Amino acid sequence: QKEVEQDPGPLSVPEGAIVSLNCTYSNSAFQYFMWYRQYSRKGPELLMYTYSSGNKEDGRFTAQVDKSSKYISLFIRDSQPSDSATYLCAMMKGGGNKLTFGTGTQLKVEL
Amino acid sequence: DTAVSQTPKYLVTQMGNDKSIKCEQNLGHDTMYWYKQDSKKFLKIMFSYNNKELIINETVPNRFSPKSPDKAHLNLHINSLELGDSAVYFCASSSGGASETQYFGPGTRLLVL
Repeated sequence: QKEVEQDPGPLSVPEGAIVSLNCTYSNSAFQYFMWYRQYSRKGPELLMYTYSSGNKEDGRFTAQVDKSSKYISLFIRDSQPSDSATYLCAMMKGGGNKLTFGTGTQLKVEL
Repeated sequence: DTAVSQTPKYLVTQMGNDKSIKCEQNLGHDTMYWYKQDSKKFLKIMFSYNNKELIINETVPNRFSPKSPDKAHLNLHINSLELGDSAVYFCASSSGGASETQYFGPGTRLLVL
């Protein structure tokens, strides 16, 4: 069993929909939680970075972390075709540098 | 200006050959990484260097050898390439403190025939 589980999708939604992307993890030592977006044939780019439990909002994006359930989410409001990409969750232990990634969820936002 | 750059972008080679991938970052970061992304998009760390010193070495075959001539460069040399080495290799960098954000390069697509 992988340390970080993520549904690979693909997930297809209409433009304007609210998208919910999720990851579960098994290692309670993870303290830092990230979401990366990866367009086709490009490198991952950081979208959201949160520490411990709670919510963080940035424009149309909201990241949620529930450490008690070992569950993190990324919500995208008013989704746009330009949001079509693979979304990777990633986690890091406190004091460390090693990122552990989920397998990524492929999202397609259709007109 | 590209923050983390890699060369080459594409690499097609025969089994058994030796090849190198180069990475450079102009962010002034102290820590650099190599990741491998397989055909299912799973991204896994291979190595990390902090200020030219190896700090992370995951279970990677000895055929892979990273080299950091200075803290702005981290190269990856692969000996005796195998079919299973076909993947996208990403370089990344961070400022070096624990839990700092990592910035990724555009990737090098390696195909071993």
